[in-house]
Amino acid sequence: DAKTTQPNSMESNEEEPVHLPCNHSTISGTDYIHWYRQLPSQGPEYVIHGLTSNVNNRMASLAIAEDRKSSTLILHRATLRDAAVYYCILRPIIQGAQKLVFGQGTRLTINP
Amino acid sequence: NAGVTQTPKFRILKIGQSMTLQCTQDMNHNYMYWYRQDPGMGLKLIYYSVGAGITDKGEVPNGYNVSRSTTEDFPLRLELAAPSQTSVYFCASSFSYEQYFGPGTRLTVT
Repeated sequence: DAKTTQPNSMESNEEEPVHLPCNHSTISGTDYIHWYRQLPSQGPEYVIHGLTSNVNNRMASLAIAEDRKSSTLILHRATLRDAAVYYCILRPIIQGAQKLVFGQGTRLTINP
Repeated sequence: NAGVTQTPKFRILKIGQSMTLQCTQDMNHNYMYWYRQDPGMGLKLIYYSVGAGITDKGEVPNGYNVSRSTTEDFPLRLELAAPSQTSVYFCASSFSYEQYFGPGTRLTVT
């Protein structure tokens, strides 16, 4: 499985944008880039995913480098509720069960 | 929809005991998964199922068994519990790309 590399931790201030980086230099052309986050004492929750183009949804934006070797999850205006561990995961474009491989993720701290 | 529910929330087992962790989803998802999460680590896949009657091993299946007799339920069985199975267990389900996770079961084996 192609691996991802994320910083162990990041810190930001409330109401400021947050850019969470992810390197995936061995990504294959058939890998989607997924982001999940895990709030304290909860199960992970889906945030966003993309293949080649940048993606936006109500939670975040995903910016994908042109060579697809890196991506950035963007929280446009962080709130205290966004404090969580964020996981960047590569998932092959296949039908069927999506066996996610979680790394250690980035622990995001939001200061009031 | 309740989503994915797990019981119990907490459990303490003695070494050698057995137990079943329950997982139920009400979204009619074909795919279901069991993960474990050790402190400070990411989740690791134990078993998964692509539909009723079909299960397969994930990354760390040793010491566990699963069954899937209905679409809704995917119980995880621990036989002969060991301290190395102390962890938080998450069940998830999916229809396509998005997995929905339950709240977890915190298991301690002493």
